[in-house]
Amino acid sequence: SAVISQKPSRDICQRGTSLTIQCQVDSQVTMMFWYRQQPGQSLTLIATANQGSEATYESGFVIDKFPISRPNLTFSTLTVSNMSPEDSSIYLCSVEAGYNEQFFGPGTRLTVL
Amino acid sequence: DAKTTQPPSMDCAEGRAANLPCNHSTISGNEYVYWYRQIHSQGPQYIIHGLKNNETNEMASLIITEDRKSSTLILPHATLRDTAVYYCIVMKTSYDKVIFGPGTSLSVIP
Repeated sequence: SAVISQKPSRDICQRGTSLTIQCQVDSQVTMMFWYRQQPGQSLTLIATANQGSEATYESGFVIDKFPISRPNLTFSTLTVSNMSPEDSSIYLCSVEAGYNEQFFGPGTRLTVL
Repeated sequence: DAKTTQPPSMDCAEGRAANLPCNHSTISGNEYVYWYRQIHSQGPQYIIHGLKNNETNEMASLIITEDRKSSTLILPHATLRDTAVYYCIVMKTSYDKVIFGPGTSLSVIP
């Protein structure tokens, strides 16, 4: 299996600021995914992040708002930029680690005031 | 959009089998049926997947109809810890992006 950690686990931020969320995996993986889960909702895919290439964003998500870095095969960051209260969500990363399943991190709970 | 349809909620008595249905009438021949669950405040957890044969592991059984247009996830002896949202997902491979529908909220009742 793959063990995923995320930092921070939760944060409270002010409107207009930015937050960078880290996702660390205990093994090398090709593909990493970032999701958003708004309160009471299901998960929505933000983007797919492959090492060595630009992230691929889903409809409704743009790089200026959610820049992603993927510097190596075990790490990725997602930044939520110029935050507003509508960005209050849980942000999760997931990976496919070669076990015919995807593993999800514990999530980062973000509250924007 | 999600390619599956699930009931929004179900109840199950503790110790009984929980049978969670899923419709995927537009599934392609090379697409698998995956099940994940999300316990409150945690990341989703993989349960099981299958192509066309029934599958069983230590957590659950997956029954796929012969025409592959629907499936049922069976938790044989539900416990309170099985209370969660269960997602049925259709994917070609585990490397595909996972598109989550609203899922089924299962409540296991003492």
